Amino acid sequence: NAGVTQTPKFQVLKTGQSMTLQCAQDMNHEYMSWYRQDPGMGLRLIHYSVGAGITDQGEVPNGYNVSRSTTEDFPLRLLSAAPSQTSVYFCASSRWGELFFGEGSRLTVL
Amino acid sequence: GDSVTQMEGPVTLSEEACLTINCTYTATGYPSLFWYVQYPGEGLQLLLKATKADDKGSNKGFEATYRKETTSFHLEKGSVQVSDSAVYFCALSTEGGGSNYKLTFGKGTLLTVNP
Repeated sequence: NAGVTQTPKFQVLKTGQSMTLQCAQDMNHEYMSWYRQDPGMGLRLIHYSVGAGITDQGEVPNGYNVSRSTTEDFPLRLLSAAPSQTSVYFCASSRWGELFFGEGSRLTVL
Repeated sequence: GDSVTQMEGPVTLSEEACLTINCTYTATGYPSLFWYVQYPGEGLQLLLKATKADDKGSNKGFEATYRKETTSFHLEKGSVQVSDSAVYFCALSTEGGGSNYKLTFGKGTLLTVNP
């Protein structure tokens, strides 16, 4: 089982560049979410979706966009990267009270 | 708003020692409580959970009891192994309807177990 797959695993950007972090799940879960993990901060929710066509903001949504056109995919877009967005990003899906996480995408913004 | 406070790390133990990682929470309503574990280089995975007061979650020798009176969900293990070395996250959810998917996490506690 692939579970939750994130790409890329590593990315270096320059300030002002845009990019998309991809997330795909093969478990037919309705709920998907994006978190960022920073040292000493735990995980903070960026955006989430309760189904195709429905998205909402989490705790730290500024500078990020999401869309959910299919059940399987939930990409996270950085519109104009800033050094404060240097972090490890985790995508997760859930159906019955348990989150299944991808392996993470480490992003560095110079 | 909801919040989770867990003990600061890092925690370093010898193999077969007892482990307790404290976790307390603040939430409106009646949250569900979780412990997630993150092994080096991996994503988080659910370790155990409890959905109502006095429930005990258990898995892989780890236990935690949902204490509503003290708003706590401490993680315990009687004898740790080197393979338990990881970061442990306490989390809560106040989403209802059987879909506890919007979690608030603590900052994480790094556990290192030496042979």
